[in-house]
Amino acid sequence: GAVVSQHPSWVICKSGTSVKIECRSLDFQATTMFWYRQFPKQSLMLMATSNEGSKATYEQGVEKDKFLINHASLTLSTLTVTSAHPEDSSFYICSAPAATDNQPQHFGDGTRLSIL
Amino acid sequence: QKEVEQNSGPLSVPEGAIASLNCTYSDRGSQSFFWYRQYSGKSPELIMFIYSNGDKEDGRFTAQLNKASQYVSLLIRDSQPSDSATYLCAPWAGYQKVTFGTGTKLQVIP
Repeated sequence: GAVVSQHPSWVICKSGTSVKIECRSLDFQATTMFWYRQFPKQSLMLMATSNEGSKATYEQGVEKDKFLINHASLTLSTLTVTSAHPEDSSFYICSAPAATDNQPQHFGDGTRLSIL
Repeated sequence: QKEVEQNSGPLSVPEGAIASLNCTYSDRGSQSFFWYRQYSGKSPELIMFIYSNGDKEDGRFTAQLNKASQYVSLLIRDSQPSDSATYLCAPWAGYQKVTFGTGTKLQVIP
């Protein structure tokens, strides 16, 4: 079964709305979460790394004030797209590193965000 | 930061043929690798992992790792149309970020 639960799976909202995406680790503690964005027919692009109890690390070119990341507990990281606009429409995916060595990342199922 | 490079494709193979996907990596210290399959509009799913030099087989899939040459490959035997997807390789990176390449888009032609 899924070890990382991501919600919602699909969001459609009006321009200017803020949207929150949640990513939960179900049976392990995730001190780190990665947030990716993927536009159609393009590769996964890492947006930021969230760390429990500290500020997220954003990749170059990602606006930290627009994409708010909160990692308030060992099992929950959230990404809030503030004042979303049509150009923010994309597929957002979170993942968590495994707790043990040489194990793969656990990906959430992704969130399809459509801004009208 | 762990980085990989893949040919973006598309790689087209006829149904029943062997598809060969390759990946090179920059960090000589990388120990293990994972192959993910991503269907359009879906999240990546793990299909193979390999820790040691040589081959590892699982059903129709064979992963090959050559640490001296810093490449890892995935062979898909008896390719099926349902194998059509983008394939991503990634090294194990612990808590470090992994920069995925473009992946290789595979098209299996019926």
